[in-house]
Parts: sequence; C-alpha cells; structure tokens
Amino acid sequence: GEDVEQSLFLSVREGDSSVINCTYTDSSSTYLYWYKQEPGAGLQLLTYIFSNMDMKQDQRLTVLLNKKDKHLSLRIADTQTGDSAIYFCAEIGGESQGNLIFGKGTKLSVKP
Amino acid sequence: NAGVTQTPKFRILKIGQSMTLQCTQDMNHNYMYWYRQDPGMGLKLIYYSVGAGITDKGEVPNGYNVSRSTTEDFPLRLELAAPSQTSVYFCASSRKYGQGRETQYFGPGTRLLVL
Repeated sequence: GEDVEQSLFLSVREGDSSVINCTYTDSSSTYLYWYKQEPGAGLQLLTYIFSNMDMKQDQRLTVLLNKKDKHLSLRIADTQTGDSAIYFCAEIGGESQGNLIFGKGTKLSVKP
Repeated sequence: NAGVTQTPKFRILKIGQSMTLQCTQDMNHNYMYWYRQDPGMGLKLIYYSVGAGITDKGEVPNGYNVSRSTTEDFPLRLELAAPSQTSVYFCASSRKYGQGRETQYFGPGTRLLVL
C-alpha cells in the first residue's frame, strides 16, 4: 500500500534555514503537498508541487522533488519563531484515487 | 466566508455512548471529508463524500457513519463509542477532487475523549 514517511522532529535557530524531508512509495502520485498545523488548529496548505516538476519556489519556501528517489523536501529560508508547527507531507493520485495520504508530521521547533 | 466549521470543539464520552460531530462548509464545495488524527500520527481518512447523497468509505470507517443530505453539511456519527475512538477529528472540503491547488480546506477539529 501507499506510505509517506517523515522524520518526527527538527530543531533550528531563528534565522537559519529549515529542511524537512519526506519519502513516499506511490510512484504514480500526481501531486505532493506540504501542510502546516499550528497548535490546536486544523491543517493549512502551504504549497504543492506537480509530479512533473523538480522544484517550486514560493517566497521563503522551496520545494524539491526527486521523483526517481521518491523524495520530497521543504526548505524554509530565514526560519522564524512563527514557523514553529507540525509540517505534514501528503501525496495524492495513483492507488489512493484522489485521496490524500499523509505522513506522520515533522514537528519544527524554532529557538530564538 | 467562515470556511469549514466544526462543533463541538471538545467532548468527553463514556464507552457505549453515541454522538454526532457536525461539519458545515459555506464554500459550495462538492467534496467533503472526515479524518481522524491520533497522537503523533498523520491523518487517516474515515469517510468522504463527492456530493449530496453520495458517501464512501475511507481507510478507517469502522465504528462510524456519515450522511450528506445537503452540500453544506457532512455529519459524522459514532454509534457506540469506544476508547479506540479517542482522537482529534478533522472535517475538510474541496472544490475538486485532488487537483493541485484545489486542495482541501480543513476545519479546526473536534477533540474527542472516550472514557
């Protein structure tokens, strides 16, 4: 079945770059997503990438996709304390037939 | 637009009790979803609906029921609550079905504790 894996924790200092990594198993995924969940809140879409793209940049966010290795990463430049949250990687397409498959989430802690 | 709203925010149930989690969206989205999020885990799809009158099972449907009589509302019913249903429940909606920026918009969640 489909699976999405992420490391559970990441700690960085304010102003540094954060890189959150994700691996997935469904080679037929059409879209891959990054969601952000702040404490006590629902998930908020940060960005997404279509499977025929290698990179997507959106202000401080850079998404890199290595389709051969089924590896997705999210880079946050100049990380701020407000970026502290749980970040979920998710894929769609293929076997899931349009349903999102989520990773367990990476908790990003930003220290001042 | 209020987006996706959920009630209640928090509820404690005794084993065997029943309850309905309410979900409403005002974006005229056809697609609606119910997820559960267990501690330290990602979201698991319970049920989804592609339009009024149409529902389908997700990955973890056992112990739950849904209905979709209107476009706006998608209630989730727990008939006989069990401790394994202790979780945070998220409702979501989308205009299209899994297409890029046509993503799912999430409600704030309902925290359920079954004792």
